Formats: sequence, structure tokens, C-alpha cells
Amino acid sequence: QVQLQESGPGLVKPSETLSLTCNVSGGSLSTFFWNWIRQPPGKGLEWIGYVYNRGNTKYNPSLKSRVSISLDTPNNQFSLKVDSVTAADTAVYYCARGTYYYGSGTFWSYFDYWGQGTLVTVSS
Amino acid sequence: DIEMTQSPSSLSASVGDRVTMTCRASQGISNYVAWIQKKPGKAPRTLIYAASGLQSGVPSKFSGSGSGTDFTLTISSLQPEDFATYYCLQYNTYPLSFGGGTKVEIK
Repeated sequence: QVQLQESGPGLVKPSETLSLTCNVSGGSLSTFFWNWIRQPPGKGLEWIGYVYNRGNTKYNPSLKSRVSISLDTPNNQFSLKVDSVTAADTAVYYCARGTYYYGSGTFWSYFDYWGQGTLVTVSS
Repeated sequence: DIEMTQSPSSLSASVGDRVTMTCRASQGISNYVAWIQKKPGKAPRTLIYAASGLQSGVPSKFSGSGSGTDFTLTISSLQPEDFATYYCLQYNTYPLSFGGGTKVEIK
């Protein structure tokens, strides 16, 4: 059974970098898409981006200039960094595996396994 | 970007009720919709993919339908463990986007 677990500081100061790690157990990091999603308090879910294969990435344009997602295959982990955080980055952050299937000439990916989420608060 | 609008935002129902919720996309997205259940303090759980495909391990009381812009999630007989918030997700186009959620509460 695949399990994902987020870890990292629960409190980050404004203008600093938010760093989270997702540990994956029960499966390999290869051949799937590894995603980060967040939910600010009282607001909706927002897809942040993914990493796959040898470190190829895709990000939400709303965050693209401040975000990076990377793979640590030997340790079965992947990570998220968000630069120059503000209070608007306060949220529960989830990691999720993106599985995929083939149809209509291309691949389609949705989330099949999720972490429990970790609250990150941006405050001085 | 594609906007996903869910309705209702909340509903009250009793154990044993049949419950239906909807999601509307701001443009056609074929059948590239998933439905996700979220309970406080627990990992979200994907129930449905490709609008009507049952994710492995999910009971058949959950069903999905729709294509184009309008999608539906139905729970055939509500049980205590089904009280949760349900989100739709479109994965037709990046950036991926979610509906605002439907919270299912006990009547």
C-alpha cells in the first residue's frame, strides 16, 4: 500500500523560504507524477505543481516564479520550496501521487494517493 | 484557467439517504474529472476518475456521471462514514483546478 507523509517546519517567517518534504513508502518514485497541493484556511484547494521522471516539472503559473519541486529518488522523497513567503502562503500543504492512463492520443493524470497534509503558518 | 463550480456548497442528509452533488466546468473538459473525499485530519481519498470510473478499493455506493461541462457524484445510501467534504477536480487542462467543495452533514 502506497503511503505519503509530509514533513517540515510548521512556522515560517515572512520573506523566508518554505521547505517541505514528502516521504513515499510502498512504491517507487519512478513512472509517476509527484504533486503538491495546498488549501489556505477557509479557502479552496490549489494545485501547486508536479515533478516526474528525471526531474521534469510543471507548475501553476500563479506560483511559478516562487516554487520549485524536486525528486530525491534514493531516499524515496520529493520536496517543495516556496520562496519569499507571505501570510497568503499559510495553508495546509498536501503531497499526492499522480497516476496516469492513456486515452485520445495522450496521457491523463489525476491523484490516486494523498498525504494527510501539514499546516504551514507564515508569521513573524 | 478552467473554473469548477460545485453545488450545493453544503447539504444535510440522513443515514440511508441518496445524495447527489454537481460540478460545472467553465468550458468543456470531456470526462477528465475526478471526485475526492476529504475528512478532517485524514488524507484525502480519490473516489472517482474519468467522471465515472470507480477508483480501486472504493465501494460501489459511490458513482459518477457526466461529460462536457456538467458532472455528478451520487452516494446511493449515505452511511455515517460518508459525512465529509467532497471536491471535484478537472485534469483536462493545466493548471489543474478544484471545485469549492460540497460539505455533507448529518441531518
